[in-house]
Amino acid sequence: AQSVTQLGSHVSVSEGALVLLRCNYSSSVPPYLFWYVQYPNQGLQLLLKYTSAATLVKGINGFEAEFKKSETSFHLTKPSAHMSDAAEYFCAVSDREGYKLSFGAGTTVTVRA
Amino acid sequence: DAGVTQSPTHLIKTRGQQVTLRCSPKSGHDTVSWYQQALGQGPQFIFQYYEEEERQRGNFPDRFSGHQFPNYSSELNVNALLLGDSALYLCASSLWDRSYEQYFGPGTRLTVT
Repeated sequence: AQSVTQLGSHVSVSEGALVLLRCNYSSSVPPYLFWYVQYPNQGLQLLLKYTSAATLVKGINGFEAEFKKSETSFHLTKPSAHMSDAAEYFCAVSDREGYKLSFGAGTTVTVRA
Repeated sequence: DAGVTQSPTHLIKTRGQQVTLRCSPKSGHDTVSWYQQALGQGPQFIFQYYEEEERQRGNFPDRFSGHQFPNYSSELNVNALLLGDSALYLCASSLWDRSYEQYFGPGTRLTVT
């Protein structure tokens, strides 16, 4: 069974600072990995996905994530935070059959002016 | 290109009642998955429908049932509502052969009193 653990339920960063959200996965087979963002009272928007191509994945809004098999990690980064990045972020994993996504508990990002 | 749509946006029900939530998939998608997101948690997989059949099911009781129509739209039914069923219910659509790549709707907020 696949699972993900997001380290840190809340992250606060200054505008213009690096955003780093941590995600570690557990999977018995090579996984597919995803980051989603959720703004208040909205659904989930796909930021980026890893499906066994390049290990460094670039997504929307300047976010990127690196798949590190040796560390079973898929951390999300953005070099310079913007006020509009304030939201909740979820890491998710799927097996190759892909019938369901298993989500982490989420990390809430606040951005200080 | 129409995205995933869900109705209604909000719903208030009383314990013991039954509820039906509706989802229209993204144009071109043939597979619909349903998730329950309790407050402060990540989404949990309920079930997935393809070709009008339930293909996979998560750890949810039989009170939760669904249906998929020939036009690929779907319904989620919950019987004998409990207070603990209060949550955001998310619908996600995908292509069957790429069902790991799921696109989410805005969700239906269900409150059970």
